[in-house]
Amino acid sequence: ETGVTQTPRHLVMGMTNKKSLKCEQHLGHNAMYWYKQSAKKPLELMFVYSLEERVENNSVPSRFSPECPNSSHLFLHLHTLQPEDSALYLCASSQEAVLGQGTGNTIYFGEGSWLTVV
Amino acid sequence: GNSVTQMEGPVTLSEEAFLTINCTYTATGYPSLFWYVQYPGEGLQLLLKATKADDKGSNKGFEATYRKETTSFHLEKGSVQVSDSAVYFCALSSTGTASKLTFGTGTRLQVTL
Repeated sequence: ETGVTQTPRHLVMGMTNKKSLKCEQHLGHNAMYWYKQSAKKPLELMFVYSLEERVENNSVPSRFSPECPNSSHLFLHLHTLQPEDSALYLCASSQEAVLGQGTGNTIYFGEGSWLTVV
Repeated sequence: GNSVTQMEGPVTLSEEAFLTINCTYTATGYPSLFWYVQYPGEGLQLLLKATKADDKGSNKGFEATYRKETTSFHLEKGSVQVSDSAVYFCALSSTGTASKLTFGTGTRLQVTL
């Protein structure tokens, strides 16, 4: 059982569709993350939210739009994606002691959402 | 910038064999180091971590020692089981605003009877 829950687990969408990935963490953490896992590539950090404020955006295309309405929930809104965006999208969370000073705390991952763009 | 280099896989071992998966890193400052494991069809689970030089992380029979002088964090297990078959990721954390992980490419381990 994981403290980070992602839905849906599998999603197939056309290039003109709009869909969203949802993540909920039950660990009382104050930071949440989106990572992308593609075949034969290292995991890529996409977005970081700390205390509901986006603190990092690693040059992700605008067709990916994150939303963090509160410290327990994180969304990734998807619009006009490309086939190369097909991947496993992993949500994660951590507890940061002091805003602005990450100290290498353990990051806990969800089971991921498998996205296929056709 | 930060980077993590892992040995290429797949690694195929017989049950009860000794396992080593090499990991070296490049980082500024003093990062924390992690090993994560991903079983088929699942997300990443933390396997072990070390937060400072000479620390040894251990869990489920796996061990890794934070070697600052060689910038390494090799994963070892004395006797692997079929259930250890998975992909193993070495990672380091960067300090700053929130903890962020830089991952290696992952090493697939296949253990056979």
